[in-house]
Amino acid sequence: SYELTQTPSVSVSPGQTARITCSGDALPNQYGYWYQQRPGQAPVLVIYKDSERPSGIPERFSGSASGTTVTLIIRGVRAEDEADYYCQSADRDSSYWVFGGGTRLTVL
Amino acid sequence: QVQLRQWGAGLLKPSETLSLTCGVYDGSFSGSYWAWIRQPPGKGLEWIGEINDSGQIENNPSLKSRVTISVDTSRRQFSLNLTSVTAADTAVYYCAGSSKDCSTGKCHSLGFDRWGQGTLVTVSP
Repeated sequence: SYELTQTPSVSVSPGQTARITCSGDALPNQYGYWYQQRPGQAPVLVIYKDSERPSGIPERFSGSASGTTVTLIIRGVRAEDEADYYCQSADRDSSYWVFGGGTRLTVL
Repeated sequence: QVQLRQWGAGLLKPSETLSLTCGVYDGSFSGSYWAWIRQPPGKGLEWIGEINDSGQIENNPSLKSRVTISVDTSRRQFSLNLTSVTAADTAVYYCAGSSKDCSTGKCHSLGFDRWGQGTLVTVSP
């Protein structure tokens, strides 16, 4: 079965830039999506179609894609950005969705 | 702002059937895809499957034989049935919605931008 691979944890100081990566063989041909999940809450979509930002999501959240990797970038990290982040994409045949294992962002 | 509210039994015994329903309030129902996603305690997200208002269904291959997803357009609801549950099915189950952009001729999801509050389903003897 298809898998998306994320680094389990990333730590940054407030004001710095956090980069969270997601790797998958089908990503050159499939869009990536990113979700933020705080403890006890439902996920929130922060990036769709690799780099599009939904309304209401701060501009410090951005996304990029290159080859088999998509990246979520958070500039000027704030304490409130501490959360789990999940990538999502489709398999090569676009027949089902897959989530990455998640990355815990810690704001030092 | 589209709101999703979900309900269903939270405690099941092994071999029973999990049944959850999600209602869509205050927003567009047609033209969207409606999904079920679960999260075992302390673990990541797993897509279960989705349906659109035309009844087109996609399922996770790992669960396909046990999953039924249905839609009631008149009530603006969609449902999940998962048969023969085991302890491995213990999770928070979310309903979620997404739209698609077909402006380029090929349709692409705009992501799951609507989520229910989640239901903890525990499977225990």
